[in-house]
Amino acid sequence: NAGVTQTPKFRILKIGQSMTLQCTQDMNHNYMYWYRQDPGMGLKLIYYSVGAGITDKGEVPNGYNVSRSTTEDFPLRLELAAPSQTSVYFCASSYSTGDETQYFGPGTRLLVL
Amino acid sequence: GNSVTQMEGPVTLSEEAFLTINCTYTATGYPSLFWYVQYPGEGLQLLLKATKADDKGSNKGFEATYRKETTSFHLEKGSVQVSDSAVYFCALASGGSNYKLTFGKGTLLTVNP
Repeated sequence: NAGVTQTPKFRILKIGQSMTLQCTQDMNHNYMYWYRQDPGMGLKLIYYSVGAGITDKGEVPNGYNVSRSTTEDFPLRLELAAPSQTSVYFCASSYSTGDETQYFGPGTRLLVL
Repeated sequence: GNSVTQMEGPVTLSEEAFLTINCTYTATGYPSLFWYVQYPGEGLQLLLKATKADDKGSNKGFEATYRKETTSFHLEKGSVQVSDSAVYFCALASGGSNYKLTFGKGTLLTVNP
């Protein structure tokens, strides 16, 4: 049982490039989330999903896109990278009922230059 | 909307000292409250939680009591260890069908031997 896994661990992008951050969970959780963590700012919700085929915006969705074709996978897409997207990105998942605990992946550190 | 306010850090203590990290919240209804811990280079992991007023969450010597009258969920530990050095996040779940978490900004704790 690997929990929540994220790839890559670290990436440097040039302004205007695109990339996909991968997230997979093996706990059969219906709910999945993407957060970004900026120094001293806590975590901000980018997008979330309540099940395969269903996604919705969080607090800071601009510049990002997501898809959820399976229960296990929830990739985050950056189409035109900007320096403001330099951050650490965390994926998380949780059960849909009865327990609000979220389980986090190890994070992806992204640097946009 | 929901919000979480945490004690500003960083906090530096000597081993075996008493720890308190203050957390207050604003929310509608009856949220669940959480403390997450982030060790260096890792993702967040649940430390403890409480789901209703007067509940006490506890784990690894840490405790926090859900105080509805003061809208607080302060984290305490009687005797900290070097291994407790980490960033601590207070969070609340808004309930309903989405279980979205609202995080505080985090408090960096450093424990010196």
